[in-house]
Amino acid sequence: QVQLQESGPGLVKPSGTLSLTCAVSGGSISSSNWWSWVRQPPGKGLEWIGEIYHSGSTNYNPSLKSRVTISVDKSKNQFSLKLSSVTAADTAVYYCAAYQLLSPIDYWGQGTLVTVSS
Amino acid sequence: EIVLTQSPGTLSLSPGERATLSCRASQSVSSSYLAWYQQKPGQAPRLLIYGASSRATGIPDRFSGSGSGTDFTLTISRLEPEDFAVYYCQQYGSSPVTFGQGTKVEIK
Repeated sequence: QVQLQESGPGLVKPSGTLSLTCAVSGGSISSSNWWSWVRQPPGKGLEWIGEIYHSGSTNYNPSLKSRVTISVDKSKNQFSLKLSSVTAADTAVYYCAAYQLLSPIDYWGQGTLVTVSS
Repeated sequence: EIVLTQSPGTLSLSPGERATLSCRASQSVSSSYLAWYQQKPGQAPRLLIYGASSRATGIPDRFSGSGSGTDFTLTISRLEPEDFAVYYCQQYGSSPVTFGQGTKVEIK
């Protein structure tokens, strides 16, 4: 049973870069899962940010593509999210998630709230 | 991008009643790659239904999904107290993956 745990700063300044890491346990990041980030602004719905395969292949939401980088660290069995030039609109609970190709999301982290404020 | 529109925004019902939630897609969802999730406050979403109509592991049979193409439905046959939550549909057949805006099922 794959378990996911997000970590990173809970507060980021406007125009800065949001950086989060998702530690994977109970399975290898080199498995057949795609590793993903999903966010949810307070009181609002879910937004898919992007995904990465262990090979390094990525897909991003076009609405965020210019500001997003998702990377994988096989040696640490984890993957990461970087979102640049953040504004208050990027304040959200950020979830890491995992799923198979063309499958729904099987595994979710508990989520971490990131607030963008000076 | 496939836009998913859920209706109604809020459903006010009593325990034991039937809930019918709708999810309409802006274009056909390929091979019924449509899922439903339940989310309670402070928790991550939980997968209920995938492939439009298949229940995920451990999901009670009072939850059922139907539909194809652009129109999908989640039905909860008899609401239990623990079913009052927000429900999201998701299409995962084309990139980017997209979610509906959610339907809140609240106690009347």
